[in-house]
Amino acid sequence: DGGITQSPKYLFRKEGQNVTLSCEQNLNHDAMYWYRQDPGQGLRLIYYSQIVNDFQKGDIAEGYSVSREKKESFPLTVTSAQKNPTAFYLCASSRHREQPSYEQYFGPGTRLTVT
Amino acid sequence: EDKVVQSPLSLVVHEGDTVTLNCSYEVTNFRSLLWYKQEKKAPTFLFMLTSSGIEKKSGRLSSILDKKELFSILNITATQTGDSAVYLCAVANLGGATNKLIFGTGTLLAVQP
Repeated sequence: DGGITQSPKYLFRKEGQNVTLSCEQNLNHDAMYWYRQDPGQGLRLIYYSQIVNDFQKGDIAEGYSVSREKKESFPLTVTSAQKNPTAFYLCASSRHREQPSYEQYFGPGTRLTVT
Repeated sequence: EDKVVQSPLSLVVHEGDTVTLNCSYEVTNFRSLLWYKQEKKAPTFLFMLTSSGIEKKSGRLSSILDKKELFSILNITATQTGDSAVYLCAVANLGGATNKLIFGTGTLLAVQP
């Protein structure tokens, strides 16, 4: 089955620790995205990547970092510099750059709690 | 600044009711408007609208776009408890070759038996 997987589903960390969220897709999509969802604020774009080894900051990139070493994988690191890391994180992907599609396919999300 | 506004923020109805969800936008380089349904976790795609006045329909759900007045509506007829979800509206803003979506805050729909 083609799709996007995120792991873990729930993650708990102590303040001051970096944590990496996994996102893998087998849809052969070129573009991948990370969003953060907080109650009452919808989805906000953290980082996105259109091709391997390239990525751009979204609207709320401060305190986060990403890498795109493989087409299938786009991990997100939440660093200790992120002031309010507790949130629901969603990864998404979309079709090839040559045939851009605005439809994004979402993973099941990771709920991160930092105490 | 680009923005997408959804209303109402939340809505409670009874099974069998018809509901209309609203999405208005102010976005430069508008390309398409998308509707998603989000239950517990991953948003799932419902519709993508690019042209004004053409209704998209899927079962009891339908949607239409008005590019002159910059809004879209999502209609759900004969609602069922399984329609309870957050409905997200997003606008595709094509800057260069970027497939970026700008999301609204969502409408939380609760359908009571």
